[in-house]
Amino acid sequence: NAGVTQTPKFRILKIGQSMTLQCTQDMNHNYMYWYRQDPGMGLKLIYYSVGAGITDKGEVPNGYNVSRSTTEDFPLRLELAAPSQTSVYFCASSYRRGEQYFGPGTRLTVT
Amino acid sequence: TQLLEQSPQFLSIQEGENLTVYCNSSSVFSSLQWYRQEPGEGPVLLVTVVTGGEVKKLKRLTFQFGDARKDSSLHITAAQPGDTGLYLCAVHTQGGSEKLVFGKGTKLTVNP
Repeated sequence: NAGVTQTPKFRILKIGQSMTLQCTQDMNHNYMYWYRQDPGMGLKLIYYSVGAGITDKGEVPNGYNVSRSTTEDFPLRLELAAPSQTSVYFCASSYRRGEQYFGPGTRLTVT
Repeated sequence: TQLLEQSPQFLSIQEGENLTVYCNSSSVFSSLQWYRQEPGEGPVLLVTVVTGGEVKKLKRLTFQFGDARKDSSLHITAAQPGDTGLYLCAVHTQGGSEKLVFGKGTKLTVNP
């Protein structure tokens, strides 16, 4: 099993550009999550999903969108990139209220 | 207001020393998780504690959940450079939610 995979690993965007961060898991987990991690700030939940077709906002959803058309995939969309979205983004999945398995992260810089 | 307060924020010690890091809150939780995050990687679960007063050991790491289930500590005995990383505590938000809330973490550096 590959676990949780994320692409790309690194990306530099110009202000106003758009991009999609990809996340795939092969553990057949129903629950998937997107976090951002800023220096000294821990992990903040952006969006989460409890199953295909169901998504909900987390603590910091502004400027992001998600979709969940399959159990395996949970892409995160940035429509109009802003410098405040410079961060490291982590995708995670879990079976239920248990251990969350994290991907290796995407380091995004918006300039 | 931060739900989970972790201390210290930074800790730099020599190999072989012992250390304790803390995760505190004014709220009561049904369980608490500890994760370790190595540089350039995602967090990895170390342990989940669920019972007030519970003590769990993972090799040289000892985790304790407070009697009132509001706080937890992680003690490392004879720290090694491989213990270097960011230690995060996390709890599920109330009402059976699947959402985890993380503390800001303790960044540990163990020097050889």
